[in-house]
Amino acid sequence: GDSVTQMEGPVTLSEEAFLTINCTYTATGYPSLFWYVQYPGEGLQLLLKATKADDKGSNKGFEATYRKETTSFHLEKGSVQVSDSAVYFCALTRGSYNTDKLIFGTGTRLQVFP
Amino acid sequence: EAGVTQSPTHLIKTRGQQVTLRCSPISGHTSVYWYQQALGLGLQFLLWYDEGEERNRGNFPPRFSGRQFPNYSSELNVNALELEDSALYLCASSTGQGSDTQYFGPGTRLTVL
Repeated sequence: GDSVTQMEGPVTLSEEAFLTINCTYTATGYPSLFWYVQYPGEGLQLLLKATKADDKGSNKGFEATYRKETTSFHLEKGSVQVSDSAVYFCALTRGSYNTDKLIFGTGTRLQVFP
Repeated sequence: EAGVTQSPTHLIKTRGQQVTLRCSPISGHTSVYWYQQALGLGLQFLLWYDEGEERNRGNFPPRFSGRQFPNYSSELNVNALELEDSALYLCASSTGQGSDTQYFGPGTRLTVL
């Protein structure tokens, strides 16, 4: 079945460091791919998405490119801030009209220190 | 524009009791999804409602049920609570018209003692 694999955390960085969180997926057809972020004690916020191969999603300095050839959707940010400390979830959805359930990775905790 | 709202914020129940969680979607959204985020188990899909109908169900026992009302709000009911039902229950909504993007509420934290 469909699945998402994320790198295990925690990822610990100093402020202004470069961030990469790896995400790969297994799915038939053409899934839509997402990154969600969860701050402590809160629900999930959509960070960015991409719906077809070679699409790049971007938001708040974060970027991810839909790579069909490597079935990947790695999250990157050039310069992290302490306020980026959170848990990041990679997810996919597929189904007719793409309105079906989200399948999530296990989440990667990011800790940024001053 | 108001986001997805959920109530209550927190709940404490004892084993064997029943609980009802509520969710109001973003205005104009017709699809509501429920997910369970239990410690160590990640985010698991529970139920999907669209236009008042149950469209899909995750791998959960029948004591997890729900419904969607004509105003598209939704309830999640859990009967015969077990300790492992302790989790954050997240509701999400989407337009349900070819839109693949789900927007989440803040969740309801359920503790079963």
